[in-house]
Amino acid sequence: SQKIEQNSEALNIQEGKTATLTCNYTNYSPAYLQWYRQDPGRGPVFLLLIRENEKEKRKERLKVTFDTTLKQSLFHITASQPADSATYLCALPGDSNYQLIWGAGTKLIIKP
Amino acid sequence: KAGVTQTPRYLIKTRGQQVTLSCSPISGHRSVSWYQQTPGQGLQFLFEYFSETQRNKGNFPGRFSGRQFSNSRSEMNVSTLELGDSALYLCASSMAGTSGGETQYFGPGTRLLVL
Repeated sequence: SQKIEQNSEALNIQEGKTATLTCNYTNYSPAYLQWYRQDPGRGPVFLLLIRENEKEKRKERLKVTFDTTLKQSLFHITASQPADSATYLCALPGDSNYQLIWGAGTKLIIKP
Repeated sequence: KAGVTQTPRYLIKTRGQQVTLSCSPISGHRSVSWYQQTPGQGLQFLFEYFSETQRNKGNFPGRFSGRQFSNSRSEMNVSTLELGDSALYLCASSMAGTSGGETQYFGPGTRLLVL
């Protein structure tokens, strides 16, 4: 069955630099992949979706890439700010309908 | 538009008890999914409901059950609680479900502690 791997170690980035987070999947290429942000004690909030026929998607300081050959999506935050500190989750369709499977998330810490 | 609401926000129970959690989706959303989240774990899918029908169920024991009402509000029930059931329970709503990549809108979650 499909599995997702995200770097479980926290990522520490200096303010103003670009943060890059990785989401790897193991089996078939999904029709799409989503990225969410989760703050402590809150539910995830949707950020971006990228479909299998798209190589790159941008939204303000956020950029997502999708490489079906590497079975990987990269999530970039440019000009990072302390307010970007959160856990970032990737999600993609599971083996059966109406189900998303989720990575464990990567905690991002932006230091002033 | 009001967001997804979940009640209660916090709950403390003892082993063997049962618990019912409630989720009110965004107005107009007919799909509700439930997830369990524990530290270091991704969201684990419990089940998804659409128009009062369960369309999919994750790999959880039968102690976990749910239902959806005609107004799309949903409840999940956990019977015979175990210590390992301590977690953040999240519900998410969308118009029609996740198949087409719809955005999932999450509630704040119910934090359950089993002693």
